[in-house]
Amino acid sequence: AQSVTQLGSHVSVSEGALVLLRCNYSSSVPPYLFWYVQYPNQGLQLLLKYTTGATLVKGINGFEAEFKKSETSFHLTKPSAHMSDAAEYFCAVSPGPNDYKLSFGAGTTVTVRA
Amino acid sequence: EAGVVQSPRYKIIEKKQPVAFWCNPISGHNTLYWYRQNLGQGPELLIRYENEEAVDDSQLPKDRFSAERLKGVDSTLKIQPAELGDSAVYLCASSVKGVSYEQYFGPGTRLTVT
Repeated sequence: AQSVTQLGSHVSVSEGALVLLRCNYSSSVPPYLFWYVQYPNQGLQLLLKYTTGATLVKGINGFEAEFKKSETSFHLTKPSAHMSDAAEYFCAVSPGPNDYKLSFGAGTTVTVRA
Repeated sequence: EAGVVQSPRYKIIEKKQPVAFWCNPISGHNTLYWYRQNLGQGPELLIRYENEEAVDDSQLPKDRFSAERLKGVDSTLKIQPAELGDSAVYLCASSVKGVSYEQYFGPGTRLTVT
């Protein structure tokens, strides 16, 4: 079975500061890992994904995440926060290419201070 | 390319009343998913369709929930009768066959049961 733990339900950053959202996963098989963003009153939008290959993956809007197998982590970062980054972020895990079941974390709400 | 369309966006009903949600997936996506997202949590899968066949409804509370996907395109999720605990956001997602881990989400229907 797969599960995801997102550390910190709320993160507040200043505009221009580093954004760091933490995600740890549990999986019995090599996982596929995802970060989704949800803006108020909207659906989830895929930010980036790790399937195989390079462990540092880049996504949209300047976000990137690094898969660290030894730490079972997939933390999301952005060097410089923008006001438009205020949203809720979800980490998710899937058992692999032939399994559709996404297990989501509880989410982290990001607020950006001017 | 149009995204996943859902309607209505918001619905307020009294308990014991019926309610239905509609979803139109991205054109060409043969896999359709219904998720429920409770406040402060990540989405949880209710049912998955491959074309018109429900291939995984193990998490659907069948005593009051039903779903259909006639002709393998649009889908409807129904609750009858609704209970207070059904208040949540109901998300529809779709994916291309063979890439089921990459799901595209609609904006959701926010249901409030009073």
